[in-house]
Amino acid sequence: EVQVLESGGGLVQPGGSLRLSCAASGFTFSTYTMNWVRQAPGKGLEWVSAISDSGISTYYIDSVKGRFTISRDNSKNTLYLRMNILRAEDTALYYCAKNIKGSSWPPHDAFDIWGRGTMVTVSS
Amino acid sequence: SYVLTQPPSVSVAPGRTARITCGGNNIGSKSVHWYQQKPGQAPVLVIYYDSDRPSGIPERFSGSNSGNTATLTISRVEAGDEADYYCQVWDGISDHVVFGGGTTLTVL
Repeated sequence: EVQVLESGGGLVQPGGSLRLSCAASGFTFSTYTMNWVRQAPGKGLEWVSAISDSGISTYYIDSVKGRFTISRDNSKNTLYLRMNILRAEDTALYYCAKNIKGSSWPPHDAFDIWGRGTMVTVSS
Repeated sequence: SYVLTQPPSVSVAPGRTARITCGGNNIGSKSVHWYQQKPGQAPVLVIYYDSDRPSGIPERFSGSNSGNTATLTISRVEAGDEADYYCQVWDGISDHVVFGGGTTLTVL
């Protein structure tokens, strides 16, 4: 079964850091662009970042540039999101999402596989 | 940055047709994808590349895209179609994936 499973969320103080992980299975992870998408409580979807299949190319939403870093370890079939200098407005459910077509860059494709998300709460 | 505009809510009686719009400047030149999200669940892709349906999505779901408006059409609406629906595009100017604000579909 094709699936992704996020972990690493939690409660963190403003200014703190977290690293999210997304374990992939059931597909050839190293050939797909991957994404992080977040959803604040009661709000809509917001794309956060994308990374190419090789990990060489990345994109970020403006509000996280310089604070968040997306990366991947294709040998471990795992996607990461390192989040630094966290703010209250980063509080959200963070989803890992797979592009529908392999090796698609820039990431104009749809996201066909989503995880259940991991919750990040930034509060003192 | 590129903005996608969706109506906050759409209501429809069971068995009728629901149309959810997604407005954007010259959106017809972009590929539009649509997601369904039920409460407490992850989004599910229902339409990609304007009008393609992933396997497992009923034929009742269809999409179109032209000019400044993309439309998700749900025929013969069922109670189980109640959900939030989001459109998505890639903006090559800002290098961002953009989602619409979402539309809540209510089945009366």
